[in-house]
Amino acid sequence: RKEVEQDPGPFNVPEGATVAFNCTYSNSASQSFFWYRQDCRKEPKLLMSVYSSGNEDGRFTAQLNRASQYISLLIRDSKLSDSATYLCVAQMYSTLTFGKGTMLLVSP
Amino acid sequence: DAGVIQSPRHEVTEMGQEVTLRCKPISGHNSLFWYRQTMMRGLELLIYFNNNVPIDDSGMPEDRFSAKMPNASFSTLKIQPSEPRDSAVYFCASSLAGDNEQFFGPGTRLTVL
Repeated sequence: RKEVEQDPGPFNVPEGATVAFNCTYSNSASQSFFWYRQDCRKEPKLLMSVYSSGNEDGRFTAQLNRASQYISLLIRDSKLSDSATYLCVAQMYSTLTFGKGTMLLVSP
Repeated sequence: DAGVIQSPRHEVTEMGQEVTLRCKPISGHNSLFWYRQTMMRGLELLIYFNNNVPIDDSGMPEDRFSAKMPNASFSTLKIQPSEPRDSAVYFCASSLAGDNEQFFGPGTRLTVL
């Protein structure tokens, strides 16, 4: 069983829509959590950290539920430039465990 | 400031050949990570170094894979002999310390025929 699981998508949404991604992780000892963004044929880049108290960065909101071992990412007012694959990540010490990613396609 | 540098960016080779991938981490970073990404398995950690010392190589698939970090500014990942199932994108990443943000290089796209 994959340690970090995500719906692969793709999620097809129109510009301006709100879209939510979820992921679950199996290792309850995981210490930190992140969302990374990966554009087609590019390297992953850190989008934001995820905290139990919630974390907002502009149009992006991330949330962690440790009891359910569940992480979410909400994108409001989607832009064409948000089209990418979003990777859910759990960290323990120096080790990052990545989900396979959820693909988002935003259309005009 | 230059990010993580990887070479080559693309490599096409034949089964049985030796392949060497190279990585230069961001200056001042003391942790370096090698990852492999495939459609089937996603992004997987192969090995990571802290202060040039290998800390965890449990992700290295088999003895055909080896990695070295002779100094703080250079690391190699070698596959010998290569097999078609090794075809993937290999990323190198570095961080200031092991549990800080990891910055990824552009990757090496390896195709083994």
